[in-house]
Amino acid sequence: EAGVVQSPRYKIIEKKQPVAFWCNPISGHNTLYWYRQNLGQGPELLIRYENEEAVDDSQLPKDRFSAERLKGVDSTLKIQPAELGDSAVYLCASSLDRGAGELFFGEGSRLTVL
Amino acid sequence: DAKTTQPTSMDCAEGRAANLPCNHSTISGNEYVYWYRQIHSQGPQYIIHGLKNNETNEMASLIITEDRKSSTLILPHATLRDTAVYYCIVRAPSGTYKYIFGTGTRLKVLA
Repeated sequence: EAGVVQSPRYKIIEKKQPVAFWCNPISGHNTLYWYRQNLGQGPELLIRYENEEAVDDSQLPKDRFSAERLKGVDSTLKIQPAELGDSAVYLCASSLDRGAGELFFGEGSRLTVL
Repeated sequence: DAKTTQPTSMDCAEGRAANLPCNHSTISGNEYVYWYRQIHSQGPQYIIHGLKNNETNEMASLIITEDRKSSTLILPHATLRDTAVYYCIVRAPSGTYKYIFGTGTRLKVLA
């Protein structure tokens, strides 16, 4: 069974440029998460989806970040415009449901903003 | 969600048991204890979780104290591939469903 797939694996951009990250969760997983991980820190939740509905986006900086999950499967996280402080690893995770189940993470997308 | 406290780093000799402690003194009655680990340049990987009873799987054992205020993850025979950051998380299976990661314990297994 394929795991959570993310792309691109690495991205280097100039500040003020836009960037997008894509995530394909494990088939059948209704819940999808986007996390941001700064160097030396644990992952921090940005947004959580239940199917196509964003049920927790309280930590998403809405002035420059947006996300969507069309048809309740794949998801895209966008930053526009990017700032130097956005350099981080962006992790996508999915779970079968919102109960006691575990999260399955992708390998992450490492963003460097110059 | 309850906060957890873990040592910043630990070393363990290869082949020996690695015992990683976690304090969660404000844990609520319905909150589970989860352990994940993150190997360099990879996403976190689920290890084990439990509510009040000790748990064991093919990767590790989880020992939860009777008052549930602390727990220990045990890797019975650590290998070099177990070198990673280990996160202890407490989470309720309802409500906000948030996994709140701290900074974890950086375990280094020494040859």
